[in-house]
Amino acid sequence: EDKVVQSPLSLVVHEGDTVTLNCSYEVTNFRSLLWYKQEKKAPTFLFMLTSSGIEKKSGRLSSILDKKELFSILNITATQTGDSAVYLCAVAQEYGNKLVFGAGTILRVKS
Amino acid sequence: EAEVAQSPRYKITEKSQAVAFWCDPISGHATLYWYRQILGQGPELLVQFQDESVVDDSQLPKDRFSAERLKGVDSTLKIQPAELGDSAMYLCASSFGVRQRLYFGPGTRLTVT
Repeated sequence: EDKVVQSPLSLVVHEGDTVTLNCSYEVTNFRSLLWYKQEKKAPTFLFMLTSSGIEKKSGRLSSILDKKELFSILNITATQTGDSAVYLCAVAQEYGNKLVFGAGTILRVKS
Repeated sequence: EAEVAQSPRYKITEKSQAVAFWCDPISGHATLYWYRQILGQGPELLVQFQDESVVDDSQLPKDRFSAERLKGVDSTLKIQPAELGDSAMYLCASSFGVRQRLYFGPGTRLTVT
């Protein structure tokens, strides 16, 4: 059965801290891995990763994929209260573009 | 940036009643998806359309759920009869093609009492 597992389930940090969110997967016909941010509404797209070892960066957020070990990490540096959200990891399969989602990591940044 | 539209945003219904949700994808997006997200879980695909055709409905509870996209543009998801376990966020998403990024709508939060 295809599955995506995220850890930790939740964490609380203080503003300015750096956090690392983990995503491991066992999915047939892997095509790409995506990260989304969800704040009490629809998920918003952060990154799509297809190749191992190439870091994607957007401001304070960065992500990398390891296709050999079947995992990805999402790093957030200098966290702000606006980073508080659920971070979802999803894997897109080669056929049909179906996304298999993990349960998410709940991040709370305290001021 | 163009957005996926969904309505209603919130719906409260009693069990055994019928309920319907509507989705209008981004113009030109041929692929449309309905996902269900139960509180505390990630979204799960219910049905995927390519134009007006269903390409994946393997996780759709077909005894009570139905979905259509008659003209290959907007789509309706129906539940009849609704059960308590159907309480969830129903997300519609669209993409230009089957290998493209998904854009999500704001979702419809359904509460069944």
